[in-house]
Amino acid sequence: GENVEQHPSTLSVQEGDSAVIKCTYSDSASNYFPWYKQELGKRPQLIIDIRSNVGEKKDQRIAVTLNKTAKHFSLHITETQPEDSAVYFCAASLTDSNYQLIWGAGTKLIIKP
Amino acid sequence: GAGVSQSPSNKVTEKGKDVELRCDPISGHTALYWYRQSLGQGLEFLIYFQGNSAPDKSGLPSDRFSAERTGGSVSTLTIQRTQQEDSAVYLCASSSPGRKAFFGQGTRLTVV
Repeated sequence: GENVEQHPSTLSVQEGDSAVIKCTYSDSASNYFPWYKQELGKRPQLIIDIRSNVGEKKDQRIAVTLNKTAKHFSLHITETQPEDSAVYFCAASLTDSNYQLIWGAGTKLIIKP
Repeated sequence: GAGVSQSPSNKVTEKGKDVELRCDPISGHTALYWYRQSLGQGLEFLIYFQGNSAPDKSGLPSDRFSAERTGGSVSTLTIQRTQQEDSAVYLCASSSPGRKAFFGQGTRLTVV
């Protein structure tokens, strides 16, 4: 079955710098990759997702890149702000018969003022 | 409904008692997940439903934990003979096939 590994577990960056979080997956058939942000005391919420027919997707300061050959995908946050501090989770799934989402362990992002 | 609804939002129970946690998914979502999250920790997978069946129960930590889903909609997670280590936030999520999952607000369970 699918296995998702996420790195790093904790990331501390200076405000205004960029942050990159990486996930690798094991099942080459996986074709849907969402990223979630969980602020302290709140539920995880989707911030961006990508499907395997696309290599990159951007939404303002957030981007996700996908390398199907290497089976990894990354979240990029540019011009980081204090409100970006949260735990970020990646996930992978199929979109047909067995579409169970498999999650990474999470990355705690700390934005230093 | 407009989103995934969980009840109760908070539950305090005595050690040894049974508890039931309820999840109302978004209408039409066939996939439903239960997770457990301790403070500052990641999402601990418990069980996944596809319709009414549970193809993956591998995350249930012991036979004290069980879950069911009826009518392809509401799900109930039951914990029997609760222990202090069961204290955590229990999150439910639902999705359509290959679509983003939406999370409920969670049930904070405290076993005293």
